[in-house]
Amino acid sequence: EIVLTQSPGTLSLSPGERATLSCRASQSVSSSYLAWYQQKPGQAPRLLIYGASSRATGIPDRFSGSGSGTDFTLTISRLEPEDFAVYYCQQYGSSPPKFTFGPGTKVDIK
Amino acid sequence: QVQLQESGPGLVKPSQTLSLTCTVSGGSISSGGYYWSWIRQHPGKGLEWIGYIYYSGSTYYNPSLKSRVTISVDTSKNQFSLKLSSVTAADTAVYYCARDPYGDYWFDPWGQGTLVTVSS
Repeated sequence: EIVLTQSPGTLSLSPGERATLSCRASQSVSSSYLAWYQQKPGQAPRLLIYGASSRATGIPDRFSGSGSGTDFTLTISRLEPEDFAVYYCQQYGSSPPKFTFGPGTKVDIK
Repeated sequence: QVQLQESGPGLVKPSQTLSLTCTVSGGSISSGGYYWSWIRQHPGKGLEWIGYIYYSGSTYYNPSLKSRVTISVDTSKNQFSLKLSSVTAADTAVYYCARDPYGDYWFDPWGQGTLVTVSS
């Protein structure tokens, strides 16, 4: 079973700064199977990135995803006030078929 | 656009069966092309995929929950449902329904979620 680890656990930054979030898998993951979500308090997660680097519909271009194999990155180029939230990575493993999520990275205001 | 809405009891007694329904609007489950999933989030914790169903009724469950989970679909009502048996306090969570494109591996959109508490 593939385990996802996210770092850091909390990222304290100011609006306008760049955020770099890491997601590491215990085994190689197909890029097609890697997604990122944003979750704000009291809300459901929202899809940001799928296929490791494709932005979902309506997602601003300040969000970008990259990576391959076991190391993936979500970058927010310039933080807006509405970007302070928890971010989760998610992968699909085919053997056995199962979706798993990372523990999340909280981006909070410094 | 497609919207999902969970419904069901917010309180379930230990050892009983948790039952939730997800109503889909703005699109038809029977059109195919998507898996329909249940995902849960323990209070203050991360996300756990429970399982999914296709409009045809084929299902796949998280192996860790498989023995207690049943997901079913009612295409006439454009709904799919979750049953989780023999619940304990560890099943207290916010339960979400979500859509997963067939052949792709992400969830979009999600329902707003419903909190289910297991307590006597």
